[in-house]
Amino acid sequence: EIVMTQSPATLSVSPGERATLSCWASHNLNTKLAWYQQKPGQSPRLLIYDASTRATGIPGRFSGSGSGTEFTLTISGLQSEDFAVYYCQQYGEWPPETFGQGTKVEIK
Amino acid sequence: QVQLQESGPGLVKPSATLSLTCSVSGGSLRSIDTYYWSWIRQPPGRGLEWIAYIEYTGSTNYYPSLKSRVTLSADTSTNQFSLELRSVTAADTALYYCALSRDGYNHYWGQGTLVTVSS
Repeated sequence: EIVMTQSPATLSVSPGERATLSCWASHNLNTKLAWYQQKPGQSPRLLIYDASTRATGIPGRFSGSGSGTEFTLTISGLQSEDFAVYYCQQYGEWPPETFGQGTKVEIK
Repeated sequence: QVQLQESGPGLVKPSATLSLTCSVSGGSLRSIDTYYWSWIRQPPGRGLEWIAYIEYTGSTNYYPSLKSRVTLSADTSTNQFSLELRSVTAADTALYYCALSRDGYNHYWGQGTLVTVSS
C-alpha cells in the first residue's frame, strides 16, 4: 500500500496570497495523483487529477504540479471560499487508492 | 449534474451489520456505465479511507483490511449500489460517502451519511 504524506498539517495564509501545499508518495506514482477540497460540513470536491489537470469548473487559480513521488498544489490569490482542507490521493498503484492526511488552509 | 445520495441507519449496534445504499441520479446517465461506484469513509475529525468499489459489470475490489467484512452490490436498473459492513465496532464510526469514480479518482461524491456504532 502506498503511503501519502502531506505537509504542512495547517497553513495560515492571508486572502490574496499564494498557498503552496505539498504531498509525497512512498512509491513512484508517475502522475497518478488527485487533489480534493473539503469545506466544513461538505463532501470532498475533485480539484485536480493526473497531477496537473483541473477538473471541470475548477478556477484557474488552482494548479497542480509534480511527478514521481513529489507533488504540489498551488492556490494563487486565495479567496475566502478557498479556506478548507485539501487532500491528495494516489492511484498509481491501486486498489487500494490512498489519501494523505490533509492540509488545512486557514485565514492568517 | 450527477447527484449521489446515501441512505441508511445512523446508529448501528456493535457486532451488527451496517447497510447503506447510494442512489445516483441526474446528469448523463447514458455514460454512467463508464464509471465505477465507490465507498469512502471519514472517521470524525480524521482523513479519508477508501473502502471498496464495484464496477458496472459487478466486478468488485475491496480494501484488504476490510475485505473479510465488506460486501458491495449494485442494481444497475435503478442506479443504486449498496454497502454491507459486518461485525462493526466503534472503529467503524464514520461519515460514509459514495462516489462515482473513473480512472482511479473520484469524480462525484454524495453528501455523506454519518454512521455511529454504539450500543
